[in-house]
Amino acid sequence: GDSVTQMEGPVTLSEEAFLTINCTYTATGYPSLFWYVQYPGEGLQLLLKATKADDKGSNKGFEATYRKETTSFHLEKGSVQVSDSAVYFCALLSSGGSYIPTFGRGTSLIVHP
Amino acid sequence: DAGITQSPRYKITETGRQVTLMCHQTWSHSYMFWYRQDLGHGLRLIYYSAAADITDKGEVPDGYVVSRSKTENFPLTLESATRSQTSVYFCASSEGHREKLFFGSGTQLSVL
Repeated sequence: GDSVTQMEGPVTLSEEAFLTINCTYTATGYPSLFWYVQYPGEGLQLLLKATKADDKGSNKGFEATYRKETTSFHLEKGSVQVSDSAVYFCALLSSGGSYIPTFGRGTSLIVHP
Repeated sequence: DAGITQSPRYKITETGRQVTLMCHQTWSHSYMFWYRQDLGHGLRLIYYSAAADITDKGEVPDGYVVSRSKTENFPLTLESATRSQTSVYFCASSEGHREKLFFGSGTQLSVL
């Protein structure tokens, strides 16, 4: 079946540091890939998505590129802020009519001033 | 207000009691989901629904019951609450295939 593997956290960085959160997946066909963010005390919200190979999703300074050859969708940001402290979830939706996403376990990011 | 709302925001109950968590969305999305979030487990799907009167079990359905008599509402009932059901519960909805999910703000449930 489908699966998503994320790096374990917490990831602790200083403000303005470079961020990478790794995400790899297992799925048949051509899934859609997503990053969701959960700020403290809130529900998840979509951060960015990509629907086909080599697509780059981007939002709020975050980027992720759909790499079919390495089955990866790593999240990156060039300069993190304290306000980026949150839990980040990688997810996929399989091709073929699926509407139930498969989520990774989430990676907590803590950014210090 | 448009969106997806959950109530209550916080709930404390005792073992053996019945508890119902409410979820309401204003978009008329066909698909709705219930997840629980626990440390070390991430998000786990409890039940989901593709339309009114159509529901299916997810990964961890035992001890829970859902109904969907109207498209906009998807209540989750714990028939006899247990301590292991202490968790944060999230409701979500989506427009359909390969579409993103919209999440509510969650219900933090404590079973004493």
